[in-house]
Amino acid sequence: GAVVSQHPSWVICKSGTSVKIECRSLDFQATTMFWYRQFPKQSLMLMATSNEGSKATYEQGVEKDKFLINHASLTLSTLTVTSAHPEDSSFYICSAKARGMNTEAFFGQGTRLTVV
Amino acid sequence: AQSVTQLGSHVSVSEGALVLLRCNYSSSVPPYLFWYVQYPNQGLQLLLKYTSAATLVKGINGFEAEFKKSETSFHLTKPSAHMRDAAEYFCAVSEGSSSASKIIFGSGTRLSIRP
Repeated sequence: GAVVSQHPSWVICKSGTSVKIECRSLDFQATTMFWYRQFPKQSLMLMATSNEGSKATYEQGVEKDKFLINHASLTLSTLTVTSAHPEDSSFYICSAKARGMNTEAFFGQGTRLTVV
Repeated sequence: AQSVTQLGSHVSVSEGALVLLRCNYSSSVPPYLFWYVQYPNQGLQLLLKYTSAATLVKGINGFEAEFKKSETSFHLTKPSAHMRDAAEYFCAVSEGSSSASKIIFGSGTRLSIRP
């Protein structure tokens, strides 16, 4: 149980285009989802926290107009990187907390984004 | 605000040797602490977590960690390393048990295993 699935696993896009990454909780209701960014050989940096049906809370320094987060249901959150540039290339990971299990978050397998 | 510091970005041990990965935390309230493992190009897998119950926490794959409040530490150990343990390990902290409580990660420690 407690599986989080991210799609796609990897994506290559051209500069200026937008890319959407999906994060789904497959077997539980995710009250809160978190989006992280990870640069090569570095740690995970929290980008934003999203709760179902409400606006995401972004961490300081994260451009909310560039990284659009939608948490439309209790099993799906999406991250859209708008007008992508090469510097947006990174590994993006989502995690989700299940209703009633707030001390632990379950992680997706990550999405490798390359902007060319 | 909470934070974690992992001492040593890279640790190398021989197969069969003791593994010790260090983590110190800072938190204004009793913390929840985690160790995660990450294999290349994959997400994170939870090894173990401390949630204010027993101070010695046993996790998967033979790993365990001890919460020491006096030292603000939560070091990860394994008595005998195996080649499959080679990976990146992250210590993480969360303040509180609400659904909105963020999990903040340390910088990570890459564990290498020598044959």
